[in-house]
Amino acid sequence: DAMVIQNPRYQVTQFGKPVTLSCSQTLNHNVMYWYQQKSSQAPKLLFHYYDKDFNNEADTPDNFQSRRPNTSFCFLDIRSPGLGDAAMYLCATSRDPGVSNQPQHFGDGTRLSIL
Amino acid sequence: GEDVEQSLFLSVREGDSSVINCTYTDSSSTYLYWYKQEPGAGLQLLTYIFSNMDMKQDQRLTVLLNKKDKHLSLRIADTQTGDSAIYFCAITDSSYKLIFGSGTRLLVRP
Repeated sequence: DAMVIQNPRYQVTQFGKPVTLSCSQTLNHNVMYWYQQKSSQAPKLLFHYYDKDFNNEADTPDNFQSRRPNTSFCFLDIRSPGLGDAAMYLCATSRDPGVSNQPQHFGDGTRLSIL
Repeated sequence: GEDVEQSLFLSVREGDSSVINCTYTDSSSTYLYWYKQEPGAGLQLLTYIFSNMDMKQDQRLTVLLNKKDKHLSLRIADTQTGDSAIYFCAITDSSYKLIFGSGTRLLVRP
């Protein structure tokens, strides 16, 4: 059973048209992460939520924002997608990473294409 | 900052063993991880090792950790075509964020 679910699996949007990607989890983990992965590269952390606390990476463009309305759901909003934002977007969850071994569990990702 | 390095590509014959290597610079990571990524999919946690261990075996998978040399390896015994994927080594930094290697693409030839 999928525990970290990302919708849609494939998303096509137009240059400059806002797009939202969604992630839900059934693990009741308190941390949720968003990564961007470009072809043949490692995932790059954009930001994460620790419960309701939002933590942005220093090099994440302002064009990327996130919302976490409750424990189960987290959204990635791209306000004005550019061609360089075409990538796979991965959501991951974990329990409190400061407590023993808390590996991150990933969804299957959403592949975003920009026309 | 922390750095994790992996070789980019490995090709083996079906039934042979595969060994994927990883080196890292920061030794403060309590756990070290191996993730598998199949084409078009997310990352699947394969296995992990606690930093005070030097070996962990899990069915066909063997993880070896040499803390002195900051070297981690993943051995897959009896490699199958379904093992063809990209394998990422990952450590955690001081704020528990994952630091990934660049990934090793494993190709299993029939």
